[in-house]
Amino acid sequence: RKEVEQDPGPFNVPEGATVAFNCTYSNSASQSFFWYRQDCRKEPKLLMSVYSSGNEDGRFTAQLNRASQYISLLIRDSKLSDSATYLCVVMWSSNTGKLIFGQGTTLQVKP
Amino acid sequence: EPEVTQTPSHQVTQMGQEVILRCVPISNHLYFYWYRQILGQKVEFLVSFYNNEISEKSEIFDDQFSVERPDGSNFTLKIRSTKLEDSAMYFCASSEYLSLQPQHFGDGTRLSIL
Repeated sequence: RKEVEQDPGPFNVPEGATVAFNCTYSNSASQSFFWYRQDCRKEPKLLMSVYSSGNEDGRFTAQLNRASQYISLLIRDSKLSDSATYLCVVMWSSNTGKLIFGQGTTLQVKP
Repeated sequence: EPEVTQTPSHQVTQMGQEVILRCVPISNHLYFYWYRQILGQKVEFLVSFYNNEISEKSEIFDDQFSVERPDGSNFTLKIRSTKLEDSAMYFCASSEYLSLQPQHFGDGTRLSIL
């Protein structure tokens, strides 16, 4: 099983659509989870941390299922500016901060 | 908003030469990291650094690689004898704490080995 696995997409959606991305991870001891966004050939930028109870930031909602080792990101009312690659990121070691990245899911929002 | 800065933005080097990539982490951060991303591939962990010591390194981080915090602000990655396969985007990151704390990334150095 891959360490952090995501559907690479691409997801092509119209403006205003709701889109969901999924991610699974193999390390049951992991405690910290994040979604980052990466624009073409740029640095990863933090979108949101993912908490056990689930959390929302505007149009973005993140969920964590520890039992299934599954993380999700929901984007509502997609904007053209949401077009990017979304990276599922898991802190593999809370002693050293090592992050393991998924391959990323590409989202293209069309007018 | 404070940010991580990296220099140079692009480095072109002949195979076998040494390169030093520089990073200035966010000033109150204590934990520092290097990652790399080969074109078209995922971001990969190289090394984490705390209290002037490496806390973890990956299999990629072999004897050709070293890190240093030469003063209170800079954090450097040195590759002693570069190979073609070292061509990648190198990202520096920093965080204030470890657990539950996101890492903030610099905008990267594109390293091209000829």
